[in-house]
Amino acid sequence: GQNIDQPTEMTATEGAIVQINCTYQTSGFNGLFWYQQHAGEAPTFLSYNVLDGLEEKGRFSSFLSRSKGYSYLLLKELQMKDSASYLCAVRDISTGGSYIPTFGRGTSLIVHP
Amino acid sequence: EPEVTQTPSHQVTQMGQEVILRCVPISNHLYFYWYRQILGQKVEFLVSFYNNEISEKSEIFDDQFSVERPDGSNFTLKIRSTKLEDSAMYFCASSVPGELFFGEGSRLTVL
Repeated sequence: GQNIDQPTEMTATEGAIVQINCTYQTSGFNGLFWYQQHAGEAPTFLSYNVLDGLEEKGRFSSFLSRSKGYSYLLLKELQMKDSASYLCAVRDISTGGSYIPTFGRGTSLIVHP
Repeated sequence: EPEVTQTPSHQVTQMGQEVILRCVPISNHLYFYWYRQILGQKVEFLVSFYNNEISEKSEIFDDQFSVERPDGSNFTLKIRSTKLEDSAMYFCASSVPGELFFGEGSRLTVL
């Protein structure tokens, strides 16, 4: 099984930078995803990390440290539309050999003017 | 841009009725998944499908659930006898290594 931990809620100001952390414990790590989910909508793919380091994609960056079981999502130049839930999902290899992404509870980000 | 499509977007059913949710995964993807999300809760894994068979299933995926890929494109989730607690958003997802894309979801309401 897995244990994925994220803060429940964060608030930030428009134009600022925010870092959302995710820690995990798993036995067969095979990658970590970040998703954005607006209320009532499907999760939207943001990033995927399988090797240590920082992946940058526009205003969003994602970092992974496999030895620490730790990732973060960095959002720069925050906009009001970034108010959403941010989901960390860890993919591991099950006992049956399948690759199964498992989701954390998500971090609700509120961006205020 | 290729996308995962799901139908219906919303279904209302009576308790005990059978429901079939349909998905068309992205055509070159190899792994398919069903997830559900009860309102206000986290996204939960139900089942994964690879090479035309179930590769993994969770404890939630009991005998009332089944999946099929009847024609090489559609991927269906059947709930045989719905219960009130099956009310949720059901998401289909398809994947190649490094990508996992979700459909828009099917909202199931069981009365």
